[in-house]
Amino acid sequence: EAQVTQNPRYLITVTGKKLTVTCSQNMNHEYMSWYRQDPGLGLRQIYYSMNVEVTDKGDVPEGYKVSRKEKRNFPLILESPSPNQTSLYFCASSLVGDKGSYEQYFGPGTRLTVT
Amino acid sequence: RKEVEQDPGPFNVPEGATVAFNCTYSNSASQSFFWYRQDCRKEPKLLMSVYSSGNEDGRFTAQLNRASQYISLLIRDSKLSDSATYLCVVNYGGATNKLIFGTGTLLAVQP
Repeated sequence: EAQVTQNPRYLITVTGKKLTVTCSQNMNHEYMSWYRQDPGLGLRQIYYSMNVEVTDKGDVPEGYKVSRKEKRNFPLILESPSPNQTSLYFCASSLVGDKGSYEQYFGPGTRLTVT
Repeated sequence: RKEVEQDPGPFNVPEGATVAFNCTYSNSASQSFFWYRQDCRKEPKLLMSVYSSGNEDGRFTAQLNRASQYISLLIRDSKLSDSATYLCVVNYGGATNKLIFGTGTLLAVQP
């Protein structure tokens, strides 16, 4: 089954304790992206990757890191989480076209609470 | 001004009703347009792409007006299962493949 998986699905942690949210896709997609969703703000892009070893900042990259060492995986790293990073996080993947016309497939989401 | 704007709703409609959502976008260079559906606390899923000529998928019709920079979604014969948040999404295309999301319109179909 074609899918994007994320782990963990739920996480409660404390300020400053490093964490990683994993994302994996089995569709051989070049493009992967991380979003956060907050009430009233919609989904905002954190980081994206056009292919292996190619990553770039989205709209809200502060406090986050990513890596793309393999095509299928795109982990999101919070080196020192803070309460303002409490949010619902989605990973997504897609093929790449010159007009961006391909559907993005989303993972099930990770609900993170930082106390 | 937000890049993609939607009326947040909620739109409370009875079963069988026809309901329409509109969305405006600010970047005239936008290349691709979509409606995604998001159920409560779940991931967004593509409902349909939106083409300049307009397109229909069963009870759903999407229209794009590039001159006025708006997108619409029409749902006919609403079902209880249509209750969800509908996200208007714009892709600037080019090198970044970036999606810009509206904040969504909440639809609640009542029995």
